Amino acid sequence: NAGVTQTPKFRVLKTGQSMTLLCAQDMNHEYMYWYRQDPGMGLRLIHYSVGEGTTAKGEVPDGYNVSRLKKQNFLLGLESAAPSQTSVYFCASSWAQESPLHFGNGTRLTVT
Amino acid sequence: TQLLEQSPQFLSIQEGENLTVYCNSSSVFSSLQWYRQEPGEGPVLLVTVVTGGEVKKLKRLTFQFGDARKDSSLHITAAQPGDTGLYLCAGKRGSARQLTFGSGTQLTVLP
Repeated sequence: NAGVTQTPKFRVLKTGQSMTLLCAQDMNHEYMYWYRQDPGMGLRLIHYSVGEGTTAKGEVPDGYNVSRLKKQNFLLGLESAAPSQTSVYFCASSWAQESPLHFGNGTRLTVT
Repeated sequence: TQLLEQSPQFLSIQEGENLTVYCNSSSVFSSLQWYRQEPGEGPVLLVTVVTGGEVKKLKRLTFQFGDARKDSSLHITAAQPGDTGLYLCAGKRGSARQLTFGSGTQLTVLP
């Protein structure tokens, strides 16, 4: 049972480039989330999804887009990367709104 | 300004010592969770508290939710090197769909 899997683990982008981060969960969870973690800032919610085909904005959505075409996958896109998007990105999933979050091991993104 | 303030930000202690870390807010939370995160990994849930005044124990870890549900503490007895990690509190306010995370306490337990 893999849980929540994130790919890639590391990525370096130049300013203006685009990329997609993939999150896959095998627990049949309805809810999925994308967070970014920066030193001294804790985890901040970028976007989330309450089910297949739905997405919603979190606390820091600007510069990111997401899609949830399949229940098990949640994609995070950066259309034009900026140095301010250098961060560690975590995907998480949960059964329901009140359920604990299950996290992946993160993607470390550097934008130069 | 963080909705959830955690203190201290960093803590380094010797094996066998006791410690307490705090998670404070001016807002009321319907529930509060504690996670531990190790380097290169995602956070892992330790406990959820939902009732004001609630105390939960997990081996040497004791979690308390404040009576007014605005704060929480984590006490570790006889800390061990394996307790080293980033401790994060996260709360859910009222009918909010998402959790709000604190900035964390980085704990280092030296052998």
